[in-house]
Amino acid sequence: AQTVTQSQPEMSVQEAETVTLSCTYDTSESDYYLFWYKQPPSRQMILVIRQEAYKQQNATENRFSVNFQKAAKSFSLKISDSQLGDAAMYFCAYRSLTQGGSEKLVFGKGTKLTVNP
Amino acid sequence: DTAVSQTPKYLVTQMGNDKSIKCEQNLGHDTMYWYKQDSKKFLKIMFSYNNKELIINETVPNRFSPKSPDKAHLNLHINSLELGDSAVYFCASSLHGGELFFGEGSRLTVL
Repeated sequence: AQTVTQSQPEMSVQEAETVTLSCTYDTSESDYYLFWYKQPPSRQMILVIRQEAYKQQNATENRFSVNFQKAAKSFSLKISDSQLGDAAMYFCAYRSLTQGGSEKLVFGKGTKLTVNP
Repeated sequence: DTAVSQTPKYLVTQMGNDKSIKCEQNLGHDTMYWYKQDSKKFLKIMFSYNNKELIINETVPNRFSPKSPDKAHLNLHINSLELGDSAVYFCASSLHGGELFFGEGSRLTVL
């Protein structure tokens, strides 16, 4: 079974600075998706960024980018120019794309990000 | 227009009662899910339906019964509620292989 590990339960960053959240995963599959979701205090789960495992290029969405290291099974999220609105729980997630593989999203335990003014 | 909507957003009830949470998606997705988020924020899959057919049942007590009347709806009924059932329950939907779109969650408190 696939597992996702986020080793940082909490992180903090100063407004306007850059922070990196870590995520590692364990799988024997070669074809999968990885995601970062954000959960602010409002409780809503919001997709931040996604990465297809077959793509070597790291995904980028505005101030959010990932460092995807397939061989190391590592998928970190970098937030540049941090804003107060970035304060939230961040969840890393894995989804199998292998034929016959599970359709579910497997989540890490989350990292709580605090942004200090 | 809310893409994935679930009702109610909050439930407070006594142990032993039965309750239901309803979920509807207007995204045309073929797969719907129920996830449970516990007090430590851990998200765990409970059920998944594809075109009204149950495809994932993650060792959930049989007091929990999902029902999918059509592929746009997935409801969750819970019998004989226990204190440990207190959590936030999220409905979600997706296309095959795509990201999940989540509802706003339903916070269940069992007293």
